Amino acid sequence: QSVLTQPPSVSAAPGQKVTISCSGSSSNIGNNYVSWYQQLPGTAPKLLIYENNKRPSGIPDRFSGSKSGTSATLGITGLQTGDEADYYCGTWDSSLSANWVFGGGTKLTVL
Amino acid sequence: QITLKESGPTLVKPTQTLTLTCTFSGFSLSTSGVGVGWIRQPPGKALEWLALIYWDDDKRYSPSLKSRLTITKDTSKNQVVLTMTNMDPVDTATYYCAHSSLGILFDYWGQGTLVTVSS
Repeated sequence: QSVLTQPPSVSAAPGQKVTISCSGSSSNIGNNYVSWYQQLPGTAPKLLIYENNKRPSGIPDRFSGSKSGTSATLGITGLQTGDEADYYCGTWDSSLSANWVFGGGTKLTVL
Repeated sequence: QITLKESGPTLVKPTQTLTLTCTFSGFSLSTSGVGVGWIRQPPGKALEWLALIYWDDDKRYSPSLKSRLTITKDTSKNQVVLTMTNMDPVDTATYYCAHSSLGILFDYWGQGTLVTVSS
């Protein structure tokens, strides 16, 4: 059971928009930056979004991030078949034993 | 260009100690704000953070695995080593190392190495 809660799966048609939620608490999302990772099948995770809403160089602006309170959201517009992947949110948890936590991951299917 | 690569045994027996090495290039682990973390992923399952070591030798561990993990760095060799004791079949996973900036993100990842725990 992950500290950060993500929906197991989402799906949408090519060209459409999808959002993936990541729910946490005041000890993690509520007081720390959130980052998002894309994991294409058989590959290592790749940083998509950092500091809640910033994109690393080379990440298209179809990908966006936001945070409100103890939840964060990844948005993907203009869906492409190449976006089919697992997506993970992550952040620090500033509880007694400060540690990094990942969400359980969301499988995106582009129908 | 930042690169990281994991190395170590592909097969370990239950109760044995696993030692994994992350060899990196393109950055220095003596630079302020830099860290290297270890993350694993059992087959078909989610990412699980294990440990993180910072440029100043500050170390953080997963609370659930802390008693079994040790992370160290060799700045001169550009390496970070993770040891995990008392391996069990449930520890079978792909183990990744990743570069971290200020501990708030993992921006460069190694390709991962699959470790199988079996007798």
